[in-house]
Amino acid sequence: NAGVTQTPKFQVLKTGQSMTLQCAQDMNHNSMYWYRQDPGMGLRLIYYSASEGTTDKGEVPNGYNVSRLNKREFSLRLESAAPSQTSVYFCASRFGLAGATDTQYFGPGTRLTVL
Amino acid sequence: GEDVEQSLFLSVREGDSSVINCTYTDSSSTYLYWYKQEPGAGLQLLTYIFSNMDMKQDQRLTVLLNKKDKHLSLRIADTQTGDSAIYFCAAPGYSSASKIIFGSGTRLSIRP
Repeated sequence: NAGVTQTPKFQVLKTGQSMTLQCAQDMNHNSMYWYRQDPGMGLRLIYYSASEGTTDKGEVPNGYNVSRLNKREFSLRLESAAPSQTSVYFCASRFGLAGATDTQYFGPGTRLTVL
Repeated sequence: GEDVEQSLFLSVREGDSSVINCTYTDSSSTYLYWYKQEPGAGLQLLTYIFSNMDMKQDQRLTVLLNKKDKHLSLRIADTQTGDSAIYFCAAPGYSSASKIIFGSGTRLSIRP
C-alpha cells in the first residue's frame, strides 16, 4: 500500500515548456486534489476532483489543466510554464465522505523550478 | 469568502508550551483539522476537532475551538525539538465541503 505517489520528485523547466505532473493513489479514494506551496502562502488549491469524472477549480487554477484519468490517477498539466509557477506541488486524496476520519493523505511533493 | 489565517512564525523554548492560533471565515464542515509538515515532506494529519466540541485533548496536544469567534488553537505541551515543523490549520470550504482550505502555516522553532 503505497498511499499517494507523485512523479517526478524534481523538475527544472524553461519558460514556455510544458509538462505533466503525475499523481496516483491506491486507497480507493474518491476525491483528489492538487495544491501548490509557496513560502509564506501556505497551501493553495489549484484544482480538485470530488469524484471520478468531475474536476473543479480551486483558488489558483490559471495556467494549469487537470485530468482525472481514472479513480486512481489525477494529473496536473502546465501547458506553457512561467517562472511564477516555480513551487512545490502536492497531490492529496481522501475518501470524500463526511466524517473526521475522512482526512486528506498527501504525496511527498514535486519541486518544480521554471527558469 | 473562505479564508483560514495563521501567524507565520512561533519560537518557544524547549520544555515550554507552544500555542498556535488560527481563524477561519466560513466552513461547511463539522470538523476542523491540524496538519504537521516536517522539512522536505508532505503534510500529515496531527489531530482534528468536531465543531460541537470546545476542547479535545490527545496526549501532549490540546485543541481549543471557539466557534462563535471562529478561532481554533493548537497547544503542544512540553515542546520538544522533534516538534519543529510547520503546522497548518485546515477547514472544508463553505461553498463545497470537498474543497479543503489551508492556512498559511505556522513555522514552529524550538530554542534550547
